[in-house]
Amino acid sequence: EAQVTQNPRYLITVTGKKLTVTCSQNMNHEYMSWYRQDPGLGLRQIYYSMNVEVTDKGDVPEGYKVSRKEKRNFPLILESPSPNQTSLYFCASSPRDSLARTEAFFGQGTRLTVV
Amino acid sequence: AQKITQTQPGMFVQEKEAVTLDCTYDTSDPSYGLFWYKQPSSGEMIFLIYQGSYDQQNATEGRYSLNFQKARKSANLVISASQLGDSAMYFCAMREGRGYGQNFVFGPGTRLSVLP
Repeated sequence: EAQVTQNPRYLITVTGKKLTVTCSQNMNHEYMSWYRQDPGLGLRQIYYSMNVEVTDKGDVPEGYKVSRKEKRNFPLILESPSPNQTSLYFCASSPRDSLARTEAFFGQGTRLTVV
Repeated sequence: AQKITQTQPGMFVQEKEAVTLDCTYDTSDPSYGLFWYKQPSSGEMIFLIYQGSYDQQNATEGRYSLNFQKARKSANLVISASQLGDSAMYFCAMREGRGYGQNFVFGPGTRLSVLP
């Protein structure tokens, strides 16, 4: 089944303890992206990647790191999480498409709480 | 820069009535796509409908249709015959074909509540 898989789905952690949220897609998509969703603010992009070893900052990259060493994986790293990073996180992927006809495929979401 | 505006933070509609959710966009790329997603209370993002910048006709998918007005840069979602299960957050998104790395940008969303 074609899908984007995020892990974990739920995570409660303490301030300063490094964590990684994994994202994997099995559709051979070039484009992958991370978003955070907060009430009233919609989906804000953290980082995105158009291909292996190519990553770019989104609107809210501070406090996050990403890597794209393999096409299928795009992990989100919080080196020193803080309570303001408590949020719902989504990973998405899509094929390269110069006609912009293909939608973004989303993972199930990761609800992160930093205490 | 890309930008998506959804001016209605919340909307109410009576069951079985039609409702229009507004979306305006800003781009200088002639090749772009517009997408609507639904997010129910369970949290997953569900793709609803797509409209391409070169499409001559408005997109339709079942009870969903997209009122695409290119000159006004608007892509409003119309839901006909609303059902209680339509209560959700709705996001408008745009993807440029040439610029901005084919990235997606999302609007702030509209929360729709369907009243029985």
